[in-house]
Amino acid sequence: GEDVEQSLFLSVREGDSSVINCTYTDSSSTYLYWYKQEPGAGLQLLTYIFSNMDMKQDQRLTVLLNKKDKHLSLRIADTQTGDSAIYFCAERRGTSYGKLTFGQGTILTVHP
Amino acid sequence: DGGITQSPKYLFRKEGQNVTLSCEQNLNHDAMYWYRQDPGQGLRLIYYSQIVNDFQKGDIAEGYSVSREKKESFPLTVTSAQKNPTAFYLCASSSNEQFFGPGTRLTVL
Repeated sequence: GEDVEQSLFLSVREGDSSVINCTYTDSSSTYLYWYKQEPGAGLQLLTYIFSNMDMKQDQRLTVLLNKKDKHLSLRIADTQTGDSAIYFCAERRGTSYGKLTFGQGTILTVHP
Repeated sequence: DGGITQSPKYLFRKEGQNVTLSCEQNLNHDAMYWYRQDPGQGLRLIYYSQIVNDFQKGDIAEGYSVSREKKESFPLTVTSAQKNPTAFYLCASSSNEQFFGPGTRLTVL
């Protein structure tokens, strides 16, 4: 199976919170990242968390990391229609020299 | 304006032809990467380069080639040996964080 796994689809109503989940397998991961991709575009770095942290908050975004369960989540508060996109989590492993391993992406759809 | 540029945005190729995708960065990053994206899949690493005049194969290097003669530039050639080249190609560069270009969509006719 995939080294980094995400659910493929998430649908929410505008104004609600969205939670996108990700699991990874490599305990040597040093950094974990969240990227956003809009149709036909490249990936935009949203936020990242260092592996010795449990939580990071940045405006509407909250990242939670459970190292024991190797589980990462991205919460988007007050989700807007402009948040509709594909969200990728990625891990940087300890010996990877900067290479990232990506999940397959979660398609977030926000309904008015 | 600092960033990563890729050209062209759309590229069409006939079977049997080699094509080269351009990637340029002015972020002064040492490391650069090429990924391939297919629908419903995550990004897969084709080649990466940690420093000028050096590069390594990623997970799916067969049918591709790269060069790194300048720090700013990391072109990718899709050769005729690549059996299924139609995809979206993304270039990235990094220091601690990895930043991406806007991508090139390659279609084989």
